[in-house]
Amino acid sequence: DAGITQSPRYKITETGRQVTLMCHQTWSHSYMFWYRQDLGHGLRLIYYSAAADITDKGEVPDGYVVSRSKTENFPLTLESATRSQTSVYFCASSEWGQGAEAFFGQGTRLTVV
Amino acid sequence: DQQVKQNSPSLSVQEGRISILNCDYTNSMFDYFLWYKKYPAEGPTFLISISSIKDKNEDGRFTVFLNKSAKHLSLHIVPSQPGDSAVYFCAARASGSRLTFGEGTQLTVNP
Repeated sequence: DAGITQSPRYKITETGRQVTLMCHQTWSHSYMFWYRQDLGHGLRLIYYSAAADITDKGEVPDGYVVSRSKTENFPLTLESATRSQTSVYFCASSEWGQGAEAFFGQGTRLTVV
Repeated sequence: DQQVKQNSPSLSVQEGRISILNCDYTNSMFDYFLWYKKYPAEGPTFLISISSIKDKNEDGRFTVFLNKSAKHLSLHIVPSQPGDSAVYFCAARASGSRLTFGEGTQLTVNP
């Protein structure tokens, strides 16, 4: 299916565990992003990538790791999950340039207990 | 430092009336602005955008106004419909494709 998909949709993990959220897009967009949505904060950028093998930090990168070995995939790893990382995570992609809006996945609801 | 702010967490309007959602920004380098709509358990979807070279952009029932001197933009929905009930996010972008979002406004349109 064309578009951007995230997996899993829901995840419960324990404090201290490593967990990876997956994101896959079929448009070959250059840019990919990870956001987290928290009440009162809106959508905050965690990491983004301008192209394969190019990643950069966003507003709230601490505790997260990303990689982008292929254009279509952009996994987000929580190295040692903490309760403060309980959130809804959204992956997005866009093409380069002004006018290129970002397209979002359905989100992953992560609960750290 | 919140560069994009939506000061109203919620807004309630009657069906058929106008909904006005507001957004303020602080970064003068922002040159492109977007509104996204989000339903529960779904990802945000793009609604409408405006370049900094314009002061108005219209798409059907949706109009976005940009006041650069005040660093303020607004989204007008006329007429409002119950299906418009959602969270609306304002977003802004400087050079490149990195978007900065506001906190969101929950719009409820009552039948």
